[in-house]
Amino acid sequence: DTAVSQTPKYLVTQMGNDKSIKCEQNLGHDTMYWYKQDSKKFLKIMFSYNNKELIINETVPNRFSPKSPDKAHLNLHINSLELGDSAVYFCASSQGGSVRRTQYFGPGTRLTVL
Amino acid sequence: QKEVEQDPGPLSVPEGAIVSLNCTYSNSAFQYFMWYRQYSRKGPELLMYTYSSGNKEDGRFTAQVDKSSKYISLFIRDSQPSDSATYLCAMAGEAGGTSYGKLTFGQGTILTVHP
Repeated sequence: DTAVSQTPKYLVTQMGNDKSIKCEQNLGHDTMYWYKQDSKKFLKIMFSYNNKELIINETVPNRFSPKSPDKAHLNLHINSLELGDSAVYFCASSQGGSVRRTQYFGPGTRLTVL
Repeated sequence: QKEVEQDPGPLSVPEGAIVSLNCTYSNSAFQYFMWYRQYSRKGPELLMYTYSSGNKEDGRFTAQVDKSSKYISLFIRDSQPSDSATYLCAMAGEAGGTSYGKLTFGQGTILTVHP
């Protein structure tokens, strides 16, 4: 059973389009995250939700809007896609927001903006 | 200057070698130090976790933290081809008992262990 799953795995789209990435975890965790990994493998947190409440909101353009319909899901919607948005986006989850809790990552969504 | 610096490599070693991976950091508030392993086209997975200074050993892996030098290391003994992956260091401070999971990652070091 996949613990943290993301759809789609690959996403190729044109500049200016709007797209969504979905994330689901079946670990019963209450905290979920979105990370962006650029072409140089640099992994940076974007958002964190705890019990459906936004906790961390890093310096991310407001074209990115996370939505957590319930504790098991955290989706990422991106408006007006730009070339610089091309990256791999990882969803993760943990039980509790403390850094002492292990974060479990999904397989990633590779976004290419043409 | 990035808060966490990690040499991206790539690093190529023969099977059986001892591998040393390192990160330096500038934020003295960091107290939690982790190493994640990321196989190609996969998500990172936690490998080692250390609190504050000291050493921690788990099988062939040893993590060291020197807070006075703001320097952390991961050693892999008897390296195997299956250890070939990108290794990312990650760090966090903590405020009020929780820091809501905010990890700051290094760039990752690409390691190849060849037979």
